[in-house]
This record gives sequence, structure tokens and C-alpha cells, in this order.
Amino acid sequence: AQSVTQPDIHITVSEGASLELRCNYSYGATPYLFWYVQSPGQGLQLLLKYFSGDTLVQGIKGFEAEFKRSQSSFNLRKPSVHWSDAAEYFCAVGDAGNTGKLIFGQGTTLQVKP
Amino acid sequence: DVKVTQSSRYLVKRTGEKVFLECVQDMDHENMFWYRQDPGLGLRLIYFSYDVKMKEKGDIPEGYSVSREKKERFSLILESASTNQTSMYLCASSSITRTSGSIYEQYFGPGTRLTVT
Repeated sequence: AQSVTQPDIHITVSEGASLELRCNYSYGATPYLFWYVQSPGQGLQLLLKYFSGDTLVQGIKGFEAEFKRSQSSFNLRKPSVHWSDAAEYFCAVGDAGNTGKLIFGQGTTLQVKP
Repeated sequence: DVKVTQSSRYLVKRTGEKVFLECVQDMDHENMFWYRQDPGLGLRLIYFSYDVKMKEKGDIPEGYSVSREKKERFSLILESASTNQTSMYLCASSSITRTSGSIYEQYFGPGTRLTVT
């Protein structure tokens, strides 16, 4: 069965430091991959997506992610974190049945130190 | 600007009550979804609907039902609320335009935090 793993439940970084959030997926074919962000008490907002083509994708708020097929990974990065980036981040993969359903990871909570 | 709205941000209900959570989208999307979100468990799919009056069970449908009488509205129903249904409930929608994975691009509402006492 398909799955998404976010190995880090909590991450703390200092403001201005770089960030990498890890995501691993299991899927046989080329996956459709997403990163969403959830600010406290809010719904999920799409940060970026990978469907095909260039394996480095750019998103909103200065985020990027790189699809690495050999490692089954889709890690999210940002070169310099801002205090407003503190939130929960979810990685997701589209299911194999072309139904539109997403399979989500457990989420990573990002804390930003001043 | 795309929009998914949910009828309540916070809701407190008593055990045994019938609870309705409403979701409306203005994007003419065919697919609509209900998730519950619990700490450490991520988002789990309760039900989804791919057309008016059509529905399909997700991963955790027990204790829930849904209704979709109009394309823009998808309701989640807790027939007899229990304390273990205290959670954050998120609604989402997506289009069935089958181009390059767009079918999977879901738009979320702000969520309803339900407390059952």
C-alpha cells in the first residue's frame, strides 16, 4: 500500500537558518507529490507540487522541494527561515487509482527560535 | 480567489447529539473530501464524494455519514456524537480535470474544531 513518511515530528531552527523537512513515499510509478502548510488553527495551504518534469520545484513563500526518485524522497527546503514559517507541514502523495485522493504524512511541526 | 468555507470554526456538543458539519466550495469542483486531523496521526480521510449524491468511504468512516445534495455543498454527519470524535475536521475539494495530476490538487477549508463532552 502507498504511504508517506515524515521522519521528523518536531524541528526547531533559528530564524535566518536554513531548513530541510524530510518526506519519503512508497509508490511504484511516478508520483504526484505535494507539500502543504498549516498555520495554527487554520486549514491547509498548498506550498508546492510535483507532477512531472524538472525535479526541483519552486513554491510560495520562498520554499522549494526536490524530487529524488532513487531515494523515494521529496524534501522541502528554505534557505532562510522567518518567524512566520512556524507551522505544521504535511507531505502528501496522490493515490494510485487516479481518484483524486491524497495520502498524507503525519506532519512535521516547525518551531522557529528568535 | 478559490474558497472553501466551513460552517463553524469551533463547536461544542454533548455525547449522543446529532452533529452536522457543513462545507461549501465556490470553485465548481466535482470532488469533495472530509478529513479528521489528530495530533501525530496526520489527516485521515473519512468520506469523499466525486459527484452529487455519490459518496465513497475513506479510511475511517465508522460513526460518520455524509450528504451531497448539491455540487457545492458536502455535509458530514455524526449520528450520535461520542467523545472519541473530538477532533479537528477539515473539508477539501478538487477538480476532476484529469490533466497532469491536477485532480489531486485539493483546496482546504479553515477547519472545524469539534469538542464532544
